[in-house]
Amino acid sequence: LAKTTQPISMDSYEGQEVNITCSHNNIATNDYITWYQQFPSQGPRFIIQGYKTKVTNEVASLFIPADRKSSTLSLPRVSLSDTAVYYCLVGPLSGGSYIPTFGRGTSLIVHP
Amino acid sequence: EPEVTQTPSHQVTQMGQEVILRCVPISNHLYFYWYRQILGQKVEFLVSFYNNEISEKSEIFDDQFSVERPDGSNFTLKIRSTKLEDSAMYFCASSEEHRELIGGGKGYTFGSGTRLTVV
Repeated sequence: LAKTTQPISMDSYEGQEVNITCSHNNIATNDYITWYQQFPSQGPRFIIQGYKTKVTNEVASLFIPADRKSSTLSLPRVSLSDTAVYYCLVGPLSGGSYIPTFGRGTSLIVHP
Repeated sequence: EPEVTQTPSHQVTQMGQEVILRCVPISNHLYFYWYRQILGQKVEFLVSFYNNEISEKSEIFDDQFSVERPDGSNFTLKIRSTKLEDSAMYFCASSEEHRELIGGGKGYTFGSGTRLTVV
């Protein structure tokens, strides 16, 4: 199971772009990368998912280099409401027994 | 947007009592999950459920825990004899496909959780 490493916390200001990088050095060939957001006292919420290169949706972009040993979640022009914990998860779509695991995540605080 | 609904939002129970946490997953989803999060700790996987049986479970999910889908809409987590350390937020989640937490494009949909306090 690929282990992920993220910064424990980040600070930003309203209107700035925020990039959160996740390291997953032992990612396997069939592993996908998924990011979730969690507000206090709420369940995690799916943000974005990718396998390689770049993925963009209405909320964020996900950049994955060719070696896939890391990925970067990019949040454009953050607002106060983006203050949350962001989790990077890596795992296979199929094959074998798999128990989904959340790490500690990155606590993002957006300041006025 | 479809939601996963959990009840109650808060539950206080005495140590040793049985509790049942209830969840209504999204109607066309086939896979169901329970997670818990102790205050200030990580989100921990408990169990996954498909086709009326447990498909995977973690070490946390011991004999004190059980899950059931008693009808076509509800999905329940029962803790038989609660302990102080069972105090946590319990999240239900559902997905159309297995392992949408990773892969599948849509991820899991989580409920807002039940805060369980064991006193």
